[in-house]
Amino acid sequence: KNQVEQSPQSLIILEGKNCTLQCNYTVSPFSNLRWYKQDTGRGPVSLTIMTFSENTKSNGRYTATLDADTKQSSLHITASQLSDSASYICVVSAQQAGTALIFGKGTTLSVSS
Amino acid sequence: GAGVSQSPSNKVTEKGKDVELRCDPISGHTALYWYRQSLGQGLEFLIYFQGNSAPDKSGLPSDRFSAERTGGSVSTLTIQRTQQEDSAVYLCASSLLEGGNTEAFFGQGTRLTVV
Repeated sequence: KNQVEQSPQSLIILEGKNCTLQCNYTVSPFSNLRWYKQDTGRGPVSLTIMTFSENTKSNGRYTATLDADTKQSSLHITASQLSDSASYICVVSAQQAGTALIFGKGTTLSVSS
Repeated sequence: GAGVSQSPSNKVTEKGKDVELRCDPISGHTALYWYRQSLGQGLEFLIYFQGNSAPDKSGLPSDRFSAERTGGSVSTLTIQRTQQEDSAVYLCASSLLEGGNTEAFFGQGTRLTVV
């Protein structure tokens, strides 16, 4: 069964600290993995996409990694800011056309001053 | 429209009343997903529509929940005899179904409060 699991469910960190969010999946055959950021009261928006051949990709203070062998991805946030407080959702796509996207439950990050 | 549109953005209803939530997906997107977010529960799958195929209703929590998608476009999620535990943000997403680089686009959500 295709599944996506995220951890931790929630996280509280101090402003300026780093953190790492995890996403494990069992989707096969794997095509790509996207991380979404959902600000409070808004819909999720795509942060980054990781394809099978990519190991790491950065978007400002966000760095996503992918290990296709262990089927794990992480989202690392450096020097966190209050504006990073949000839910982060991992969504995995399979290769076959017509296959539903698989969504993780998300990690809620709270950055405090 | 340019994005996924959900209405209403906020809905307060009395316990026992029926509510309808609407989702307008991006034009041409064959896949449509309904999810809900409850405090502390994360994203919870409800139902998935794919083109003309039978929808995947496996996530609907009870028979009070139903959804339809007319003409392969607009979708309505109906909750009958609402209960307080139905209070949540209901998110709709749509995508193309061409495998590979499919991206889900989300609406802003409908915040439902049952009092």
